[in-house]
Amino acid sequence: GAGVSQSPSNKVTEKGKDVELRCDPISGHTALYWYRQSLGQGLEFLIYFQGNSAPDKSGLPSDRFSAERTGGSVSTLTIQRTQQEDSAVYLCASSLRRQPYGYTFGSGTRLTVV
Amino acid sequence: AQRVTQPEKLLSVFKGAPVELKCNYSYSGSPELFWYVQYSRQRLQLLLRHISRESIKGFTADLNKGETSFHLKKPFAQEEDSAMYYCALWGGTASKLTFGTGTRLQVTL
Repeated sequence: GAGVSQSPSNKVTEKGKDVELRCDPISGHTALYWYRQSLGQGLEFLIYFQGNSAPDKSGLPSDRFSAERTGGSVSTLTIQRTQQEDSAVYLCASSLRRQPYGYTFGSGTRLTVV
Repeated sequence: AQRVTQPEKLLSVFKGAPVELKCNYSYSGSPELFWYVQYSRQRLQLLLRHISRESIKGFTADLNKGETSFHLKKPFAQEEDSAMYYCALWGGTASKLTFGTGTRLQVTL
């Protein structure tokens, strides 16, 4: 596609349920990033995938969070046993290789845990 | 460790007034600095980067290594500049951009 696509755009879930957020990067972009955007916290790095290398998971806030990237393309961010503090906008970005100025962001998934 | 600090959560200015959005960073090496902008109901997008030394939409930013700052400036604010602005740092050996907490710029008549 022409841009980074994220789905769903909005998700309301009950506390304790699991959720899956999807990111479809720009074709040919080998680097994929997940960030969390919440009020007062700015953009918080979660995880980074680069080609076939092991992902950089250093930003994942707890073991309830995991992500995978299948076939070097689509990525899924999974949050298990959601908590209210997980409510935020989850942003995905992709770039051509590991370069800082080529980030293209998706429109995000707004997650609300009630 | 690398860190980006944007001390102002909200900056409100009148149309035509000068704008300065502050950004300070902490990094031991030579960083690359960026400004990203998010207009209402739009995606986050790159505004400018220090290595290109360009002016985008009238905005400029100069990297001051002595003060570890990368403030964003515009001489005359326009209504359409109202948005959320994020300063970001690329530390070279790191594999991702580190963002500040953002500053909301509000330009009023």
